[in-house]
Amino acid sequence: AQSVTQLDSHVSVSEGTPVLLRCNYSSSYSPSLFWYVQHPNKGLQLLLKYTSAATLVKGINGFEAEFKKSETSFHLTKPSAHMSDAAEYYCVVSVIFGNEKLTFGTGTRLTIIP
Amino acid sequence: DVKVTQSSRYLVKRTGEKVFLECVQDMDHENMFWYRQDPGLGLRLIYFSYDVKMKEKGDIPEGYSVSREKKERFSLILESASTNQTSMYLCASSLQVHGYTFGSGTRLTVV
Repeated sequence: AQSVTQLDSHVSVSEGTPVLLRCNYSSSYSPSLFWYVQHPNKGLQLLLKYTSAATLVKGINGFEAEFKKSETSFHLTKPSAHMSDAAEYYCVVSVIFGNEKLTFGTGTRLTIIP
Repeated sequence: DVKVTQSSRYLVKRTGEKVFLECVQDMDHENMFWYRQDPGLGLRLIYFSYDVKMKEKGDIPEGYSVSREKKERFSLILESASTNQTSMYLCASSLQVHGYTFGSGTRLTVV
């Protein structure tokens, strides 16, 4: 079985300060991990993905995440928040066992303070 | 770009009605999925399909069924709609190991 826990349901940061969205995962096999973003009234968009290559993964819009197997974590970071980053973020785990099936976290709402 | 199209953006249905949510993808993907999205609960998998005429239950299949007669189309059916099925429904498709493409969602309200 696989699961993912997003440790914060809501994060608020000031514009220009760093962003940290925390995610821990559980998987019986080597997982693939993803971060998706959903802006208000928009569809889900893939930010970045880890699929057993480099442990530091760079995504779109300046986001990156680091896969830490010893800590079973895949935290999302950005050095400097922008107003346009305000959105809901989902951490997702997948195990490629036959066919792929994604398991989503409960989401973190990121608010940017001007 | 892969497109996943959900036929309705907003739907309002009455309790007890049979409801069909349609999803079509245009890139010959084998895998298709239906999720519902609720505040504080994230996305939960209802049903998925890895091939035509094939379906498997996800984590919350109760009260739902699906149909996949053609590769590009995956329909979600609410046999008898209830108010606790008011939600945002998201369809997705994928090739193996390439991640998903999501539709824009159907916001269903059951009154």
